[in-house]
Amino acid sequence: DAGVIQSPRHEVTEMGQEVTLRCKPISGHNSLFWYRQTMMRGLELLIYFNNNVPIDDSGMPEDRFSAKMPNASFSTLKIQPSEPRDSAVYFCASRSQGAGNEKLFFGSGTQLSVL
Amino acid sequence: GEDVEQSLFLSVREGDSSVINCTYTDSSSTYLYWYKQEPGAGLQLLTYIFSNMDMKQDQRLTVLLNKKDKHLSLRIADTQTGDSAIYFCADFGDSSYKLIFGSGTRLLVRP
Repeated sequence: DAGVIQSPRHEVTEMGQEVTLRCKPISGHNSLFWYRQTMMRGLELLIYFNNNVPIDDSGMPEDRFSAKMPNASFSTLKIQPSEPRDSAVYFCASRSQGAGNEKLFFGSGTQLSVL
Repeated sequence: GEDVEQSLFLSVREGDSSVINCTYTDSSSTYLYWYKQEPGAGLQLLTYIFSNMDMKQDQRLTVLLNKKDKHLSLRIADTQTGDSAIYFCADFGDSSYKLIFGSGTRLLVRP
């Protein structure tokens, strides 16, 4: 398996623009997570999907952030409008919930810079 | 809520052993994890330990768990320059899905 695939790897945009980050989880995994990593706050869970349904979105910073999972093999995280403080590395992760050891596998991340 | 704490930085000489420490507040986790993050990369699962174990050895890695003190450590034997990275401990706390990460320990291996 190719692992969790994220795109783009890098995104540079101007304040106010819409940003869409994409994720393809590992085939067969039924849980998907979006994390954000910053120097100040470390790794924060933004949202968690199980079987394509959002279960916990309490970590989504504000209404400018939205996430979707239209099917088991694709998810998006959208920021509209983007702000400089959204600059961070955004990670997608997936796992097979209920399989025993709940190992979480991460993608390589999207480095977002909002100017 | 669950809190996971780590020291921020560790510097060792190549060939020495490295010990990275972690403390956590919630003891209901079934598993505790160590992840490694190399520059510009995602987090890679390094090893894990079941909560009813005291120790787990995996080649150069040894994980020690002291449940009484809620202390987890990762020992890397014969540390190599390729081990330079940030190491995160993580556990689920009282959640079945929300993995809580420590702040990460940056390991620098000097030649």
